[in-house]
Amino acid sequence: GDSVTQMEGPVTLSEEAFLTINCTYTATGYPSLFWYVQYPGEGLQLLLKATKADDKGSNKGFEATYRKETTSFHLEKGSVQVSDSAVYFCALRFTGGGNKLTFGTGTQLKVEL
Amino acid sequence: DARVTQTPRHKVTEMGQEVTMRCQPILGHNTVFWYRQTMMQGLELLAYFRNRAPLDDSGMPKDRFSAEMPDATLATLKIQPSEPRDSAVYFCASGWTEETSGNTIYFGEGSWLTVV
Repeated sequence: GDSVTQMEGPVTLSEEAFLTINCTYTATGYPSLFWYVQYPGEGLQLLLKATKADDKGSNKGFEATYRKETTSFHLEKGSVQVSDSAVYFCALRFTGGGNKLTFGTGTQLKVEL
Repeated sequence: DARVTQTPRHKVTEMGQEVTMRCQPILGHNTVFWYRQTMMQGLELLAYFRNRAPLDDSGMPKDRFSAEMPDATLATLKIQPSEPRDSAVYFCASGWTEETSGNTIYFGEGSWLTVV
């Protein structure tokens, strides 16, 4: 079945450091790919998405590029802030799969001063 | 801003009691999802509806869980009887899903359930 694999956390960085959170997927076909963010005590918010190969999603300084050849959708940010501390979830969706989201396990990011 | 509204936000209940969680999806959305989040299992899809019809509830323990959509503005998830292992955060999400898979799914703030 379809699945998403994320790098284990927690990831601890100093403010202004470069961030990469790896995400790879296994699926038959070409799903849409998403990154959601969950701040402490809150629900999930869509951070960015890409619907086809080579698309780049971006938002709030975060970017991710849909790489079909490596089945990856790694999340990057050039300079993290303390306010970016949260749990980040990679997810995929198909039209034919009822449009349900399949999530990775989440990666906790801690940014320190 | 339109948002998915869930009630209750927090619930502590005793084992064996009935728990009902409610969700008001965003107006105009045709698909509603129920997810459960735990430390051990992460985010699990329990059930989802499109146009109020259940599409898939294979992720839900049938003996004690039930999900319904009495109307387009209300989705419910019921646990009866509740058990300590049901302690989790239950998220409702909604979206418009028909022709493309890229439409955004919006999540509520979650119902934080503790069964003691």
